[in-house]
Amino acid sequence: ETGVTQSPTHLIKTRGQQVTLRCSSQSGHNTVSWYQQALGQGPQFIFQYYREEENGRGNFPPRFSGLQFPNYSSELNVNALELDDSALYLCASSLQGGYGYTFGSGTRLTVV
Amino acid sequence: QQQVKQSPQSLIVQKGGISIINCAYENTAFDYFPWYQQFPGKGPALLIAIRPDVSEKKEGRFTISFNKSAKQFSLHIMDSQPGDSATYFCAASRDAGNMLTFGGGTRLMVKP
Repeated sequence: ETGVTQSPTHLIKTRGQQVTLRCSSQSGHNTVSWYQQALGQGPQFIFQYYREEENGRGNFPPRFSGLQFPNYSSELNVNALELDDSALYLCASSLQGGYGYTFGSGTRLTVV
Repeated sequence: QQQVKQSPQSLIVQKGGISIINCAYENTAFDYFPWYQQFPGKGPALLIAIRPDVSEKKEGRFTISFNKSAKQFSLHIMDSQPGDSATYFCAASRDAGNMLTFGGGTRLMVKP
């Protein structure tokens, strides 16, 4: 049974650019959630995908968008990057209707 | 309100001692309270979780105590070891599979 894998592990982007982060969910999981973790803080919920549709969103602007694919993998896209977008982005998979998430190791995004 | 407040922010304990981390929540609709452990460069890993129908849950050296009337829950780590040195997050969610609301984290250092 494989866990949640994310790519890339580290990324440096310039303010105003766009970025795509990728996530492969744990085998058997059909729901993917994305979280943003700023340095020294707890993760903040961005959104969740189930059956390739967004079914929950936190307090993040529309320039944060996502996709879920038929194999349950997912992408997080961020447009018009801002310096405050610098953070660890965590993907978590779960089984719809079940408790408990499995988190990946995250992608460390630095915006300069 | 969706806040979860966690204390202390940092904690130093001697090897063999008891580590205690506290969390308080406001939303009475929360019905799932997990604790996560996070090592540097890694994503959060589920440590132990509790539902509000019980007041205590123990797994090995880790115990959650839950006080529904006070809207508080705590993590106790017995016989703390240097390998327990990590950041611990409490979290809460409403209904299965919903977004997790995290506390701000506690950085635990266990001295040999």
